[in-house]
Formats: sequence, C-alpha cells, structure tokens
Amino acid sequence: KAGVTQTPRYLIKTRGQQVTLSCSPISGHRSVSWYQQTPGQGLQFLFEYFSETQRNKGNFPGRFSGRQFSNSRSEMNVSTLELGDSALYLCASSLDPQGKGEKLFFGSGTQLSVL
Amino acid sequence: GESVGLHLPTLSVQEGDNSIINCAYSNSASDYFIWYKQESGKGPQFIIDIRSNMDKRQGQRVTVLLNKTVKHLSLQIAATQPGDSAVYFCAERGGATNKLIFGTGTLLAVQP
Repeated sequence: KAGVTQTPRYLIKTRGQQVTLSCSPISGHRSVSWYQQTPGQGLQFLFEYFSETQRNKGNFPGRFSGRQFSNSRSEMNVSTLELGDSALYLCASSLDPQGKGEKLFFGSGTQLSVL
Repeated sequence: GESVGLHLPTLSVQEGDNSIINCAYSNSASDYFIWYKQESGKGPQFIIDIRSNMDKRQGQRVTVLLNKTVKHLSLQIAATQPGDSAVYFCAERGGATNKLIFGTGTLLAVQP
C-alpha cells in the first residue's frame, strides 16, 4: 500500500505570493491533517479534514486554508506569503473516523522557502 | 496552555547500548500518547503508542512507559543501532479538540 504522498517536495516563493501544496493520503484513509514544522518548534497543527469537512483547526491566521476532495486528497493554500512561513509542511493521514487524532501516518513533506 | 516537553534535547549513546528518551506532559487529562521518529529529510514515522489506561507497552526493540502520577512518558530502545539515529517526538492527545500536540523533539545520536 502506498504511503502518504506530498507534492511538490520543494518550493521557493517570494513574499506576497501564494502557494498551494498537495497531499494524497493512504488509500482508505479519510482523515487528512496538516502540520507546519520549523527548526526548534516541533510540529504545529494547522487543520484536519475528514470527508471534505474541516473538523479541527489550529491557531494559524486566515492566510492558511485547506480543502479536501471527495477522493480524500487534500490541498493547503497559503496566501500573501511572509518570510516566517518558510517551513516544512507535513501532511498526515489516518483512518480516524471519530477524529481522535490517533496514529497519524506522515508524508515526507513540502519544504517551502520564502525569499 | 497545553505543552509537551522533553528533558534532553540531545542524547548520545554507544551502539549496542539501550537508549531512554524522556518526555514530560502537562495535561493530566491526556488519554493517548504516541512516539514518532524523524530521520533527516523524511516525515515522522510512527513508532509506538499507548493509552492512559496502560503504563507499559512493548514493540519490536522499543518500550513505552507511562507514569501518570508525575506526567512522564519515556521511550526505551534496546540495543541501539546506527539506524536509530534520528529526532524522536512524543505527542499527547488531550483537551477539547482531540488533536495531537507534539513536543519539540530529542536528537538521538548513536556512536559506532
């Protein structure tokens, strides 16, 4: 069974631009979560989608948004990029029908650099 | 606020020794805990999890211990190998949103 796939692997953008990241979960997984990882900060929860609905949301500004499609694939968008948005963005999927945040399976991430 | 912290940011061990990575959590209501391993350039990889109704759980070469009295979690790795070198994260689930809250990580360096 294929793992979580994230594209692209690397992105370089400039301040003020917007970016869209893509995530394909493990087959059969309907929950997709997004995390931001920066050096020394650990993983910060962005949001979680289940069956095309946002089920949980972290403490990030409205510039960060996401969506999930009927095939469970998910995208996240960051508008008006700031230098501080430079990070590794990780997507994780799980079976998790009850939204209990258990046993997430992570992709390799998209490394975003904002110049 | 909610937080999960680590006692040691870096742990250096000799190949073949046992490793113990510690984690403190602050939310006494947390009912689920999980350990991840992250190698350079890769996403976090699930190692082992434990629910709050247990105090010990074993996997292949790994054991997780949970002490709810002092809100402490540890990951023990037996016969540590060079391939175990990575950053290890603990995470807890607690609070109203049920989302996982991750610690900042411990770097495990295995010396040959």
